This record gives sequence, structure tokens and C-alpha cells, in this order.
Amino acid sequence: EAGVTQFPSHSVIEKGQTVTLRCDPISGHDNLYWYRRVMGKEIKFLLHFVKESKQDESGMPNNRFLAERTGGTYSTLKVQPAELEDSGVYFCASSQELSGGSDTQYFGPGTRLTVL
Amino acid sequence: KQEVTQIPAALSVPEGENLVLNCSFTDSAIYNLQWFRQDPGKGLTSLLLIQSSQREQTSGRLNASLDKSSGRSTLYIAASQPGDSATYLCAVIGGAQKLVFGQGTRLTINP
Repeated sequence: EAGVTQFPSHSVIEKGQTVTLRCDPISGHDNLYWYRRVMGKEIKFLLHFVKESKQDESGMPNNRFLAERTGGTYSTLKVQPAELEDSGVYFCASSQELSGGSDTQYFGPGTRLTVL
Repeated sequence: KQEVTQIPAALSVPEGENLVLNCSFTDSAIYNLQWFRQDPGKGLTSLLLIQSSQREQTSGRLNASLDKSSGRSTLYIAASQPGDSATYLCAVIGGAQKLVFGQGTRLTINP
């Protein structure tokens, strides 16, 4: 069974440009999460999809970040326009259970974003 | 607001030793606690998940305990090996279904 995949693995862009990150969850997983780790800090939650609906987007830093999950399969996270402080590693995770928080979240390898 | 703390930030031990990594959290209203391992430049690998109703979980040489009332968890690694060198992350999940992470413990096992 394939794990969570993310694309690209690395992205280097200039301030003001747009970047789109993609996550493909484990097949059959309804829950999809985005997290981020900026330099020197702990990994922090960004948002949670249940199928195609946003369940919780309380961690999104500002309106320059837009996440979508059309059709309840893969998800994209767009940053527009990118700022220097957006640099970090963006992780995607998926889990199977719809209710409660009792299921293991499986993480992808992450996308390392560098904004110059 | 839930906060997770991991002590120590870094640990270096000789191969073969048993060791304990510590994790504490401020809000005991959690559904579960998960321990992860992260290798440099790689993603997170789930090691153990302890449900809030459980006291411990074991997988091979790893044993994780949970004391919800005191807000603590430990990860015990027996007979450490150089391949165990990695960053170990503790995370809790509450009603909002989002993981709250500690900063991790960077473990080095010296041959």
C-alpha cells in the first residue's frame, strides 16, 4: 500500500511568487491534515479536511494560504504571494477514522519550501 | 491551550544502553498520544500510539507509557543501536483532532 506522497520535495521561490504544494493521502483515508515546521520551531497544525470539507482551518496563518481538496482525494496548498516567513517544511498527513481522534495519522515526507 | 514539552532536547548515549525520552503536556483532556521518529530530511514515521484509556504500548524494543492525569509520557528504548539515531517527536491529539507536537529530542547512539 502506498503511503502519503507529497510534491514537490523541494521548492525555492522568490518573495511575491506563488507556490502550490500537493498531497496525495493514503487511498481510502477520509481525513487529510496539513502541518508546517518553520526553522527552530515545533511542527504546527494548519488545517484538517474530512473528505472535501474543511473541518478545521484554525491553524492557517493568513489569507495568503489557500487549501483545497476537490473530490475528497488529493489536496493542494497554495501560497500567494509567498513571504520570507513562509519558509519551512510542509507536511501532509492522513488518517482513516471519521469520528474522534483515535486513529494514527500517517505523514508524508514533506515539502521543503524556501522563499528568498 | 495545549502545550507539549520534550526533555531533553538532545541526548547522546553509547550503543547498547537503555534510555528514556520524556514528554509532558499541559491539558490532560486528550484522545491519544503518538510517538514519531524523524530521520534527517525525511518525513515522520509513527512508532506508537497510545489511546487515552491505555497505560502503555509496546513495539519491539520500544515501550511507551502514558499517565494522563499527570500529563506525562515516556518512550523507553531498550538495547539502543546506532540505527536508532533520529529525532523523536511526541504529539497529543484532543477534541479538535489536530496533533500538537513537542519540539523533539535529537537522539544519537554512538557505536
